[in-house]
Amino acid sequence: DVKVTQSSRYLVKRTGEKVFLECVQDMDHENMFWYRQDPGLGLRLIYFSYDVKMKEKGDIPEGYSVSREKKERFSLILESASTNQTSMYLCSSGWGDTDTQYFGPGTRLTVL
Amino acid sequence: QKEVEQNSGPLSVPEGAIASLNCTYSDRGSQSFFWYRQYSGKSPELIMSIYSNGDKEDGRFTAQLNKASQYVSLLIRDSQPSDSATYLCAVNAGGGADGLTFGKGTHLIIQP
Repeated sequence: DVKVTQSSRYLVKRTGEKVFLECVQDMDHENMFWYRQDPGLGLRLIYFSYDVKMKEKGDIPEGYSVSREKKERFSLILESASTNQTSMYLCSSGWGDTDTQYFGPGTRLTVL
Repeated sequence: QKEVEQNSGPLSVPEGAIASLNCTYSDRGSQSFFWYRQYSGKSPELIMSIYSNGDKEDGRFTAQLNKASQYVSLLIRDSQPSDSATYLCAVNAGGGADGLTFGKGTHLIIQP
């Protein structure tokens, strides 16, 4: 079974704080992705990575950065959290040859 | 701008009937197509993938793809109350590690 885990299910942070969201997969997937999901807007791609130390911007990268130091781990960083970053954050991973992605359980982040 | 369109619903179907979910996409170069199921408060779960024109069956689920019409559908036979969820259509241009483009989902309700 594919397993993608995320560091927290629920997180509450204050405006201006630096926030780290971590994602780990155990299937040796090359590709990893970060999305956010908001009511009425659906799932939107923030950043993705197709190899260690590689990263690509998605559709809404502003206010976010990422780190992929090891193949199994992909971190999303909010340098200075703002209230409009309150959202459900979803990590996924997959093999490059099929485009299939498997999602972690998600982190619901609230920024006060 | 890649777009994936779904009717938001709710789509109400009696238990035991066939539920039909539809999706259209704008990028004619799209190669990979996916259906995810998402229960309220949970992350998306992969149900089906389809890559070539025609039908693909897996248990009670059938995915149908028509690239000429840029249309993909999901049929759920013998619908059960546990099928009540939001169904997300996702599309990828293929050939690389780009993230998926998601529709906003169709909310399906199976009435006992």
